[in-house]
Amino acid sequence: DARVTQTPRHKVTEMGQEVTMRCQPILGHNTVFWYRQTMMQGLELLAYFRNRAPLDDSGMPKDRFSAEMPDATLATLKIQPSEPRDSAVYFCASGQRETQYFGPGTRLLVL
Amino acid sequence: AQTVTQSQPEMSVQEAETVTLSCTYDTSESDYYLFWYKQPPSRQMILVIRQEAYKQQNATENRFSVNFQKAAKSFSLKISDSQLGDAAMYFCAYTYFGAQKLVFGQGTRLTINP
Repeated sequence: DARVTQTPRHKVTEMGQEVTMRCQPILGHNTVFWYRQTMMQGLELLAYFRNRAPLDDSGMPKDRFSAEMPDATLATLKIQPSEPRDSAVYFCASGQRETQYFGPGTRLLVL
Repeated sequence: AQTVTQSQPEMSVQEAETVTLSCTYDTSESDYYLFWYKQPPSRQMILVIRQEAYKQQNATENRFSVNFQKAAKSFSLKISDSQLGDAAMYFCAYTYFGAQKLVFGQGTRLTINP
């Protein structure tokens, strides 16, 4: 049963620290998405890739967030420096034929 | 612009009963896709069901079925024989061919009463 995996599942860090979240998409999927979910804003699309190339990162605060896909089996989302307002659940999803499958999420708390 | 609207912030149903969650959307595209995702307290986003707009037949997955009314731009989810494990936030979502990005509704929180 193919699934999207994300690590870590939970992260507590202090303001100013670097946070790296990792995602392994489903093998064969050519699109990868990063979302953020908060109570106030709901689900927000941060960035997405097709065939490892970034297509749209307009939803991402550029000064502190960065997303990369170093190879087809790994996508990363980095926050540097982290701030308390970054506390949220971050989802990775991989897609095929207009259908997206979500990972379990990384629950981030920045103190 | 494409929009998705879920007009029911909360719904509740007795266990074993049937419940229908509403979703409407707005689009000028002809080739598009509609989805229902379930998010239980674990926060995992689970794909429940998928409908291609060009298919007239309503999609069904076990106890979950949709009523797709293309002319009315309506896409409701029916859950039959509700179970306690169905309690979750349900999101309706839309995309069109080649768009990749999903547009989500605001969500409906479903409570199952034992």
